[in-house]
Amino acid sequence: DAKTTQPTSMDCAEGRAANLPCNHSTISGNEYVYWYRQIHSQGPQYIIHGLKNNETNEMASLIITEDRKSSTLILPHATLRDTAVYYCIVKVGNFNKFYFGSGTKLNVKP
Amino acid sequence: NAGVTQTPKFQVLKTGQSMTLQCAQDMNHEYMSWYRQDPGMGLRLIHYSVGAGITDQGEVPNGYNVSRSTTEDFPLRLLSAAPSQTSVYFCASSYSGGVGTDTQYFGPGTRLTVL
Repeated sequence: DAKTTQPTSMDCAEGRAANLPCNHSTISGNEYVYWYRQIHSQGPQYIIHGLKNNETNEMASLIITEDRKSSTLILPHATLRDTAVYYCIVKVGNFNKFYFGSGTKLNVKP
Repeated sequence: NAGVTQTPKFQVLKTGQSMTLQCAQDMNHEYMSWYRQDPGMGLRLIHYSVGAGITDQGEVPNGYNVSRSTTEDFPLRLLSAAPSQTSVYFCASSYSGGVGTDTQYFGPGTRLTVL
């Protein structure tokens, strides 16, 4: 099973880009990388996912390295409301078994 | 759409008591899952279901039972509550689409304390 490694916490200044790294060196060729975030104690919220190409949506951009062993989630203009725990997940199999790690606590500061 | 709903929001049990955490979704999703989140930790998968009548175990299934008689509902039963089951419980659902198209939608959580 592919596992992910993320830094425990990161700080970012409001208005600046937040770049959250994730290592998934054991990822298989057909496994997608997903990013979710959890604000305070709410249920996690989907952000973005990708296979091997870079992806962008209204919330964030996802950059996946060519060897797929790592990725970076980019929040282009972080706001205080983006303070949350961000989870990088590699999905196992075809039955929606998502294994969440401990995530990265992003602190956006004024 | 209400999305994923969970009841109750809060619950306090005594050791040995049983109870059922309710989860319902109105998005016609085939896949539903239960997670628990202990303080300062990430989510851990308890049980999941790929459709009505089909369930399977996740990472931490011991002490919990599930059943899926309808597409909409996926209740989680605690058979004999223990203090180690004090946690926040999240239910999630998703489409049965192909890999990469199965975004999970989470409920607001049930905060359970076992004394």
